[in-house]
Amino acid sequence: GEDVEQSLFLSVREGDSSVINCTYTDSSSTYLYWYKQEPGAGLQLLTYIFSNMDMKQDQRLTVLLNKKDKHLSLRIADTQTGDSAIYFCAESMHTNAGKSTFGDGTTLTVKP
Amino acid sequence: EAGVTQFPSHSVIEKGQTVTLRCDPISGHDNLYWYRRVMGKEIKFLLHFVKESKQDESGMPNNRFLAERTGGTYSTLKVQPAELEDSGVYFCASSQDWGSSGANVLTFGAGSRLTVL
Repeated sequence: GEDVEQSLFLSVREGDSSVINCTYTDSSSTYLYWYKQEPGAGLQLLTYIFSNMDMKQDQRLTVLLNKKDKHLSLRIADTQTGDSAIYFCAESMHTNAGKSTFGDGTTLTVKP
Repeated sequence: EAGVTQFPSHSVIEKGQTVTLRCDPISGHDNLYWYRRVMGKEIKFLLHFVKESKQDESGMPNNRFLAERTGGTYSTLKVQPAELEDSGVYFCASSQDWGSSGANVLTFGAGSRLTVL
């Protein structure tokens, strides 16, 4: 999307770390999200971070936020074949946190 | 609890025809959203219901699209008449009232794929 940008594809080997990057333009963004979409399924919220945080870790997932550069990343440690999916970055504001602006999605392929 | 369900999962229609997509949110969720992803691009917001009221319909592309949520339960999105550029995946999502809790965690349905020929 024009306001949220992601690279379209990423390919890694099983066991490696994956890093998916996202940039956004709206400096008033309050919440930033990472969603995962597996084939034939809806979007699953993986994690989210408030704009006043720099980092959030949840098991194999680490989210880093550089608010100055408006850059968000999702690191998946020990990537597994089951992590193959489309990952969407999204942002929203507090005034309507459910109205999100999404990126185009990054297709992650994990090779055995 | 049952998730967000959407019907149909896939619809193929001809240009000029009418299609109605349905979304059943999670029971008790006041907030219901429609989004769509066209041509593998970004997922775009269409509109937001709070119970039966349209809170924000700024993303609706034109007056060929009509969304309703009578009774504040399920919602329908009608496209009439459908055009080629309407092809895409239409997602519905729901959430509880987030109030002061901060981020509004959305639960998405699997989407309804619309193909207009």
